[in-house]
Amino acid sequence: KQEVTQIPAALSVPEGENLVLNCSFTDSAIYNLQWFRQDPGKGLTSLLLIQSSQREQTSGRLNASLDKSSGRSTLYIAASQPGDSATYLCAVPNQAGTALIFGKGTTLSVSS
Amino acid sequence: NAGVTQTPKFQVLKTGQSMTLQCAQDMNHEYMSWYRQDPGMGLRLIHYSVGAGITDQGEVPNGYNVSRSTTEDFPLRLLSAAPSQTSVYFCASSYSRSATNEKLFFGSGTQLSVL
Repeated sequence: KQEVTQIPAALSVPEGENLVLNCSFTDSAIYNLQWFRQDPGKGLTSLLLIQSSQREQTSGRLNASLDKSSGRSTLYIAASQPGDSATYLCAVPNQAGTALIFGKGTTLSVSS
Repeated sequence: NAGVTQTPKFQVLKTGQSMTLQCAQDMNHEYMSWYRQDPGMGLRLIHYSVGAGITDQGEVPNGYNVSRSTTEDFPLRLLSAAPSQTSVYFCASSYSRSATNEKLFFGSGTQLSVL
């Protein structure tokens, strides 16, 4: 059964720092991986979708990488800002392709 | 484009009451789903649909019913509310019939408390 783990559960950094969030998954036979952002009391917003044939996806200050063979993905945030404070979740499809399996997220706090 | 709209945003029920959480999307998405989010448990799939008239169970379907009579709407019914159903409920949709190929769009959630 696919399991998705995100470490650390929480992270605090000063503004301007570059940071990396980690995501690992147990079954490497995935079609893609998505990174989401969730603000307190809000729904999830998809940030990046990496297909299994890709190794990286970039959007602005965000860069996500995918290494299927090692079962890992990282989300790199450059020059962090207080507005980046949120919970970041990664998710992979289940084997049947009927749903996404989510990690429990990393809660990021960026102080000014 | 409103995206995925969920109503109500907050609801308090007594044990044994029934209610329907509404979800509507205006993006002509085929795939729709319901998740619940609980502290320490993360997001878990309740039910999903790959098109009008087609629904199936997810990981935690007990105590919930769904129907998909139109492409746009995917209501979630709580048959007889229990305190264990206290949670935040999210509706999500994507363009393709699969949850795997496209970005998943979420509603803003319904916070439900069952007393």
